Amino acid sequence: AQSVSQHNHHVILSEAASLELGCNYSYGGTVNLFWYVQYPGQHLQLLLKYFSGDPLVKGIKGFEAEFIKSKFSFNLRKPSVQWSDTAEYFCAVSRDGGYNKLIFGAGTRLAVHP
Amino acid sequence: SAVISQKPSRDICQRGTSLTIQCQVDSQVTMMFWYRQQPGQSLTLIATANQGSEATYESGFVIDKFPISRPNLTFSTLTVSNMSPEDSSIYLCSVDPGGSEAFFGQGTRLTVV
Repeated sequence: AQSVSQHNHHVILSEAASLELGCNYSYGGTVNLFWYVQYPGQHLQLLLKYFSGDPLVKGIKGFEAEFIKSKFSFNLRKPSVQWSDTAEYFCAVSRDGGYNKLIFGAGTRLAVHP
Repeated sequence: SAVISQKPSRDICQRGTSLTIQCQVDSQVTMMFWYRQQPGQSLTLIATANQGSEATYESGFVIDKFPISRPNLTFSTLTVSNMSPEDSSIYLCSVDPGGSEAFFGQGTRLTVV
């Protein structure tokens, strides 16, 4: 069965620190990969997505993620975090090559201190 | 894009009762999806609702417990029946109108006492 693992459940950083959130998935076929973010009190929003092509994808607010097929990984990065990045981050994989019917990781709560 | 409104935003219910959650989308969509996020856990797909046909349920979810209605292309309801404390979760509605991105409602936070 497909699954998604996020390595860090809670991350605490100071502003300007670099961020890397790990995500590994288990699925042998073609996958579509996503990172979603949920800011406090708001709904889930798409941060970035990978369907094919360049394995380094750039998303909103300076985030990027790298798809490494050999490692079944799709880690999220940001070189310098801001207090406003405080949120919960979810990695997800689509189950049927589409854009919904997603399998989510457990999420990572990021707290950025000024 | 899509704007999704869910009602209620939260509720506290007695065990054994049922709650119906409404999901309204600002555009017509073929499929609507219902997810559950139990405390401390990830989102799990409950079912896919297509207009004009029975909903398709994922493994571990059954229609008797989570009946779904889809009367038109912009609206769906999910009912949580005969609730127990284990049903305490956030329930989310989702759509992907353009076929390129899933949009989510703000969710319904359900507490069963």
